[in-house]
Amino acid sequence: QVQLVESGGGVVQPGRSLTLSCAASGFTFSSSAMHWVRQAPGKGLEWVAVISSDGSNQNYADSVKGRFTISRDNSKNTFYLEMNSLRAEDTAMFYCARTRDCSNTNCYREFDVWGQGTMVTVSS
Amino acid sequence: DIVMSQSPDSLAVSLGERATINCRSSQSVFYSSNNKNYLAWYQQKPGQPPKLLIYWASTRESGVPDRFSGSGSGTDFTLTISSLQAEDVAVYYCQQYYSTPRTFGQGTKVEIK
Repeated sequence: QVQLVESGGGVVQPGRSLTLSCAASGFTFSSSAMHWVRQAPGKGLEWVAVISSDGSNQNYADSVKGRFTISRDNSKNTFYLEMNSLRAEDTAMFYCARTRDCSNTNCYREFDVWGQGTMVTVSS
Repeated sequence: DIVMSQSPDSLAVSLGERATINCRSSQSVFYSSNNKNYLAWYQQKPGQPPKLLIYWASTRESGVPDRFSGSGSGTDFTLTISSLQAEDVAVYYCQQYYSTPRTFGQGTKVEIK
């Protein structure tokens, strides 16, 4: 079945780095634009980043631009979020999600598949 | 950025009664070239990821019960649960996918009265 599984979360000190992974299965990953969305504890959803199906294009939320990098490896059906210079306000559950029927970053569709999330806690 | 605002922040409805959630966008999310509103609704139960309920403002996702319906156009949208069931207790979010960043409303918590 169609599935996304995140990994890589944990507790990290402010200023340090962490890389999240999202493994996809059950669909043609190499044809799908993919997103990261985060949710701080007790708060709402915040879109973080998107990457095109071939990895050539990315967009970021202003809150993470210059600190986070989204990438993918279609041979492994996996995409990533490298997070640098982490701050306490980055503490959140991070979800990966698929845009339905979209291969590029400027294709605008709903998020039809979500992973279960991986928790990132930034604390000294 | 398009700002999404939901009302109310929370509501309590008796089992079997109607629940109505409103969502307003700071600018229109209607694209005239294809006559579509770029608006989705998601349901999030405690400890779970969001689940897509409605897209194109009014198209129900496969498998979603028909007691859930979406309406509206332009900047004003509504999610209606026609007859609230116990399993509908959740937080509901609207999202615009008209432009980047794809923004969400702050969420509406639905509880049983």
